[in-house]
Amino acid sequence: AQTVTQSQPEMSVQEAETVTLSCTYDTSESDYYLFWYKQPPSRQMILVIRQEAYKQQNATENRFSVNFQKAAKSFSLKISDSQLGDAAMYFCAYRSALETSGSRLTFGEGTQLTVNP
Amino acid sequence: NAGVTQTPKFQVLKTGQSMTLQCAQDMNHEYMSWYRQDPGMGLRLIHYSVGAGITDQGEVPNGYNVSRSTTEDFPLRLLSAAPSQTSVYFCASSIQPPSGGATQYFGPGTRLTVL
Repeated sequence: AQTVTQSQPEMSVQEAETVTLSCTYDTSESDYYLFWYKQPPSRQMILVIRQEAYKQQNATENRFSVNFQKAAKSFSLKISDSQLGDAAMYFCAYRSALETSGSRLTFGEGTQLTVNP
Repeated sequence: NAGVTQTPKFQVLKTGQSMTLQCAQDMNHEYMSWYRQDPGMGLRLIHYSVGAGITDQGEVPNGYNVSRSTTEDFPLRLLSAAPSQTSVYFCASSIQPPSGGATQYFGPGTRLTVL
């Protein structure tokens, strides 16, 4: 079974600064997808960024980028030029590419990000 | 499109009561899932469905039943509520099979308290 670990329960960053959230995972599969989801106080889960395991290039989405290290099974999220609206719980998630997985996501425990003005 | 909708938003039950959490999507998604969210544990998969008439268990299926009679609806039933089922419940759906790497879309969640 796959597991996802987020070792930082809480992080804080000053507005306009850069912060990196850590995520590691364990799997025996070679083909999979990794995601970062954001959950603001509204509780709605919002996709931030995704990475295909077969792609060596790190995904980037505006101020959000990832550092994907497949051999190390590490998938960190970097938020540049942090904004007050970035404050939320962030979840790292794993999804197998196997058809039998039923599209299920395995989530980490979450990292609560605070952005200080 | 309304996306993924869930009802109710809040619910309080007494131990032993039964109820159904509703989930519907209007995006013609084949894949639907139910997760529960508890502090410090992320989201854990309860049940999932790869299409109408097909369901399977996730990580924490005990105490819950599901059915998928239509593509649009995926209700979650609590047969005899227990305090351990106090949680926030999320329904999610996606259009493509896992090999397509499609994004999962989440509903707004249902906060359930069992006294």
